[in-house]
Amino acid sequence: GAGVSQSPSNKVTEKGKDVELRCDPISGHTALYWYRQRLGQGLEFLIYFQGNSAPDKSGLPSDRFSAERTGESVSTLTIQRTQQEDSAVYLCASSLQGLAGETQYFGPGTRLLVL
Amino acid sequence: AQSVTQLGSHVSVSEGALVLLRCNYSSSVPPYLFWYVQYPNQGLQLLLKYTSAATLVKGINGFEAEFKKSETSFHLTKPSAHMSDAAEYFCAVTEDGNKLVFGAGTILRVKS
Repeated sequence: GAGVSQSPSNKVTEKGKDVELRCDPISGHTALYWYRQRLGQGLEFLIYFQGNSAPDKSGLPSDRFSAERTGESVSTLTIQRTQQEDSAVYLCASSLQGLAGETQYFGPGTRLLVL
Repeated sequence: AQSVTQLGSHVSVSEGALVLLRCNYSSSVPPYLFWYVQYPNQGLQLLLKYTSAATLVKGINGFEAEFKKSETSFHLTKPSAHMSDAAEYFCAVTEDGNKLVFGAGTILRVKS
């Protein structure tokens, strides 16, 4: 079946502009995660959605970052008033139920460059 | 708080040699541990995971890892490196499934 898809694959924007990144999880997966990968660093957790529960936003670096998820499908990550330090690869992952030990399946990522 | 340390940001081995990538973790409860691989310009792919069953875990492409609680380690090994193993490898830990905590990654270079 189809894996996790993300769009756009690349995004170049100017400092101060808003950007929206999209994630389509694997069909039937109720858990969805966003991570950020800065150049030369590991992945940082941003936010987690599980079914109808309130999302875990503990990893969002500032109030410029927000995310939504429509039911158990598409999610969008929005970065307002982008800064150069927001430049990174943004990765989305999904898992079946969000249980400990479940495999998270990752999308190819969106490479964001803020000029 | 959970954390992961990967010793060596770059590891270089000759083709056919043993691959050993080190991972140490910190966790307040029995953890779940993962190794992911990222090939150039691709997403992360699961190599293997430890979920409290057998301590020696076998994964794809001939890789395996051993969970050692006393050493808080989960090192990744492969007996014989292949050129196609050149990639970046990430160790990760989770306690509750809500999020993975990743190490900084180790870039593996395989010399011919």
